[in-house]
Amino acid sequence: QKEVEQNSGPLSVPEGAIASLNCTYSDRGSQSFFWYRQYSGKSPELIMSIYSNGDKEDGRFTAQLNKASQYVSLLIRDSQPSDSATYLCAVRSSASKIIFGSGTRLSIRP
Amino acid sequence: EPEVTQTPSHQVTQMGQEVILRCVPISNHLYFYWYRQILGQKVEFLVSFYNNEISEKSEIFDDQFSVERPDGSNFTLKIRSTKLEDSAMYFCASGGNTNEQFFGPGTRLTVL
Repeated sequence: QKEVEQNSGPLSVPEGAIASLNCTYSDRGSQSFFWYRQYSGKSPELIMSIYSNGDKEDGRFTAQLNKASQYVSLLIRDSQPSDSATYLCAVRSSASKIIFGSGTRLSIRP
Repeated sequence: EPEVTQTPSHQVTQMGQEVILRCVPISNHLYFYWYRQILGQKVEFLVSFYNNEISEKSEIFDDQFSVERPDGSNFTLKIRSTKLEDSAMYFCASGGNTNEQFFGPGTRLTVL
């Protein structure tokens, strides 16, 4: 059974600080990795995709991938109250199927 | 910015009834997907669709489920005889030539 594991949180971070979200996956053959943001009652919104080892930056977001350790992370710099949401790690496990983690609830406190 | 749309936003049905959930994918996308999320649980893959046929389906997607692309813009999910446990948010997603998948706002299905 292919799995994507995340700490459910809640992770509480002060406004302006860096939030660090982590994820591990079980399928060593996975090639595509995604971070989605989901506000309560809303649909997943794609924030970042990453396909090769290392860092990928987009604005305040940095995704990090380490395939040897089967580990993906998301850093959010200068955290804002609007960043408070559930962050879903997702891994493409086959030609079309994405497997989602259960998500980490992030709370940015003023 | 183009986006996936879904109708209805909320569907209430009686157990045993058929429901059809509708989606309009992003216009130049070729890959279409259905996912569901039971309240408080993970987003789960149901089915993927490409070139007018199912390319992959999960164990959840049994004979009670079917998908169709009846015209050039719509993509539908039909549940033939709904069960209480089918109550969930159903998300349609579409993707282009990258591996990324973009989700619609979802349909909340409530089976009574």
